[in-house]
Amino acid sequence: QVQLHQSGPGLVKPSQTLSVTCAISGDSVTSNSAAWNWIRQSPSRGLEWLGRAYYRSKWYTEFAPSVKSRIIINADTSENQLSLRLNSVTPEDTAVYYCAKQNDEIDVWGQGTMVIVSS
Amino acid sequence: SYELTQPRSVSVALGQTATITCGGNNIETKNVHWYQQKPGQAPALVLYRDSNRPSGIPERFSGSNSGSTATLTISRAQAGDEADYYCQVWHSGNVFGGGTQLTVL
Repeated sequence: QVQLHQSGPGLVKPSQTLSVTCAISGDSVTSNSAAWNWIRQSPSRGLEWLGRAYYRSKWYTEFAPSVKSRIIINADTSENQLSLRLNSVTPEDTAVYYCAKQNDEIDVWGQGTMVIVSS
Repeated sequence: SYELTQPRSVSVALGQTATITCGGNNIETKNVHWYQQKPGQAPALVLYRDSNRPSGIPERFSGSNSGSTATLTISRAQAGDEADYYCQVWHSGNVFGGGTQLTVL
């Protein structure tokens, strides 16, 4: 079955860049039917979709307006993994970050990565 | 932007039926998905496209979607059903409800 394993630092300083990686097993990041999402969760904001990438003969990305100017989602086909970079972070970006596979529904979630933004 | 409204909490007696609603403008035109999240865990899909159960989800979980409200119904509630439940739709991005904490008394 599909599994998503996340990794990344748990502490980031304000104004720096948050990075999380999602290793995919049991499926391909270039799947023609899946989209690969980044979603975060915090007590103040609940579940918040950040963006996604998907491959349909070429790569497409879509981002939430709230982070569109700061977010980069990359797919590494050689490593079969997805990465999230969020620039210029503030304490408001403190959250658990999830990668997640979506067809129509989101049917597979990573284990989550707690990221704290603090000096 | 599109908003989904859920009650913050719902309580149900053991063995009884719990109903969790998800309100949204003309939500009946959208596919609604439901997720269960237990403490310390990632969300997990319990219903997709309004009323379909993934493999391994008991028949006690059912759903409907009409007008401006989608509903998750949990029959014969068990202690293990205690969790937060979230609805989700696609509307120019994934949109999640605020979540409902289900307590089984």
